Amino acid sequence: KNEVEQSPQNLTAQEEEFITINCSYSVGISALHWLQQHPGGGIVSLFMLSSGKKKHGRLIATINIQEKHSSLHITASHPRDSAVYICAVKSRETSGSRLTFGEGTQLTVNP
Amino acid sequence: KAGVTQTPRYLIKTRGQQVTLSCSPISGHRSVSWYQQTPGQGLQFLFEYFSETQRNKGNFPGRFSGRQFSNSRSEMNVSTLELGDSALYLCASSLEGGASGELFFGEGSRLTVL
Repeated sequence: KNEVEQSPQNLTAQEEEFITINCSYSVGISALHWLQQHPGGGIVSLFMLSSGKKKHGRLIATINIQEKHSSLHITASHPRDSAVYICAVKSRETSGSRLTFGEGTQLTVNP
Repeated sequence: KAGVTQTPRYLIKTRGQQVTLSCSPISGHRSVSWYQQTPGQGLQFLFEYFSETQRNKGNFPGRFSGRQFSNSRSEMNVSTLELGDSALYLCASSLEGGASGELFFGEGSRLTVL
């Protein structure tokens, strides 16, 4: 069992749909990152959170530390949201920026 | 403010050769971390440098090494290349690293080993 598991692996949605991507992890963490990767390969950090909820535009990220679970929500999805979304955690047991990554969720939003 | 710059963006090598990749972090950032991304293994942590010292190392063989210079620029080196080293190599910089450090990624260096 991977330390970080995401679901679903693939997701196809219609424009304007509400989207949820889930991330579960098995270790104690000090922070969780949501990352976005477009086909060219570059990665953009969307959120870094250690508790509660964060919102940026149409994106919302929540985390439940007790249940070791985080969700990324996209409201009013748009074709430009099509990308791979990756969850990554920083274990409490390690120092620095060492991250463990989920396998990613490939999101396709159709017009 | 310039972002994280990785060079070269693309390169092709043959088995047995070595390769050096460069990463220039955002000005003022002292932490640089390196990651390997392959279709089979996904993203994996290679190592992290902070103030010219290796702070963390992932589970990679000794053929993978790195260093950081006094201006925070970092290089990673892979010696005796194998086919399985073909991957996208990404670096990320942060101000201090650690739990509260937001990461800024470069565009990556795509290595093909023939």
